[in-house]
Amino acid sequence: EVLLLESGGGLVQPGGSLRLSCAASGFHFTTYAMSWVRQAPGKGLEWVSGISGSGTSTSYADSVKGRITISRDNSRDTLYLQMSSLRPEDTAIYFCAKDGGGGRPYADNPGELGSWGPGTQVTVSS
Amino acid sequence: DIQMTQSPSTLSASVGDRVTITCRASQSFSNWLAWYQQKPGNAPQLLIYKTSILARGVPSRFSGSGAGTEFTLTISSLQPDDFATYYCHQYNTYSHTFGQGTKLEIK
Repeated sequence: EVLLLESGGGLVQPGGSLRLSCAASGFHFTTYAMSWVRQAPGKGLEWVSGISGSGTSTSYADSVKGRITISRDNSRDTLYLQMSSLRPEDTAIYFCAKDGGGGRPYADNPGELGSWGPGTQVTVSS
Repeated sequence: DIQMTQSPSTLSASVGDRVTITCRASQSFSNWLAWYQQKPGNAPQLLIYKTSILARGVPSRFSGSGAGTEFTLTISSLQPDDFATYYCHQYNTYSHTFGQGTKLEIK
């Protein structure tokens, strides 16, 4: 069974930093691209970032480019999201998601999001 | 980035109804489009990928179609468990985007 569990969320002041983790189990982690998706309170889903299985290729939404870095440690089956220069509008639940394996246009970018973690809450406020 | 405009934002329907949700893209792309269902307090769940392929375990009353700039999710006969929010998701480009969501409510 695929399991994804995010951690590292919390309350942080504007301008601060936070690192989220996503522990994966139940599948061969290295094989699958991964993504982060966020959801602000009462709002819709926003794709944040994606990373290839090897970790060598990354992609970002324009809204976070330059402030957020996605990475992974395949020896630990763990995905990360390093966030800096945080703003109140970054307040959201952050989900990690596993590529569904149904095919994608670019081999080094995630496709559909087949499995999701429960999410971790990030609140940016003074 | 490809912008996805989903309609309607809210849809009121009854059990047994046939409903359709539409996503329109700001530019044409191939079939790299998925649909998700989300219930309050839960993570989204994949329903359909590559425009029309049902994810494992998804009931056959769900179907997807489309091409170019217009994609649709259809539920053939609404069941009580289907009242939720639905999102489309394009993964045709390196930077993915979601539609803004459609909340399906009981009439």
